[in-house]
Amino acid sequence: GQQVMQIPQYQHVQEGEDFTTYCNSSTTLSNIQWYKQRPGGHPVFLIQLVKSGEVKKQKRLTFQFGEAKKNSSLHITATQTTDVGTYFCAEAINNDMRFGAGTRLTVKP
Amino acid sequence: DADVTQTPRNRITKTGKRIMLECSQTKGHDRMYWYRQDPGLGLRLIYYSFDVKDINKGEISDGYSVSRQAQAKFSLSLESAIPNQTALYFCATSRTGMGNEQFFGPGTRLTVL
Repeated sequence: GQQVMQIPQYQHVQEGEDFTTYCNSSTTLSNIQWYKQRPGGHPVFLIQLVKSGEVKKQKRLTFQFGEAKKNSSLHITATQTTDVGTYFCAEAINNDMRFGAGTRLTVKP
Repeated sequence: DADVTQTPRNRITKTGKRIMLECSQTKGHDRMYWYRQDPGLGLRLIYYSFDVKDINKGEISDGYSVSRQAQAKFSLSLESAIPNQTALYFCATSRTGMGNEQFFGPGTRLTVL
């Protein structure tokens, strides 16, 4: 089964509101990757986190890796309609990749 | 990503038929992967390959087989398709080394009637 649990499964926001998706694991994660899949599209790599407590930013997106390396989050500030899509976290384990189920974000203009 | 292509893009087939999905890449990556995507389940790994003729089972390999005869090509076969194999299938590539980002193809939507 999946190693990482993602919540929420769905999130609907008004344009301009913030959005956060969480990725949780019962075991220590070696790393976390985040991907975005636009409706009808394919997953596209956003970022990778490997260090405990790591924080990375990409414009309005902020990615965090927990101090215990058991959770990660993606926060989008002031969402725009272009942020619509499904956001996945994934862990590379023993040359394998395990994806979370994803959080589907819809944005109302 | 245009560097990873999949054929066909859509396919409708009947139960019991053999079907092959093709993946080609021009990125020069050694590693290639096949995933299936189902609503609410995210992406699940079927098979992966780290080099020509190297084959490794993923999380859900039953009912599938793969072939890696060239670095640039990785094909997925369903020997006898069944309706619960109806899904969106993605091929992906990555450079050698654990934790490298994956580059996905556009996907193949397969329907088994």
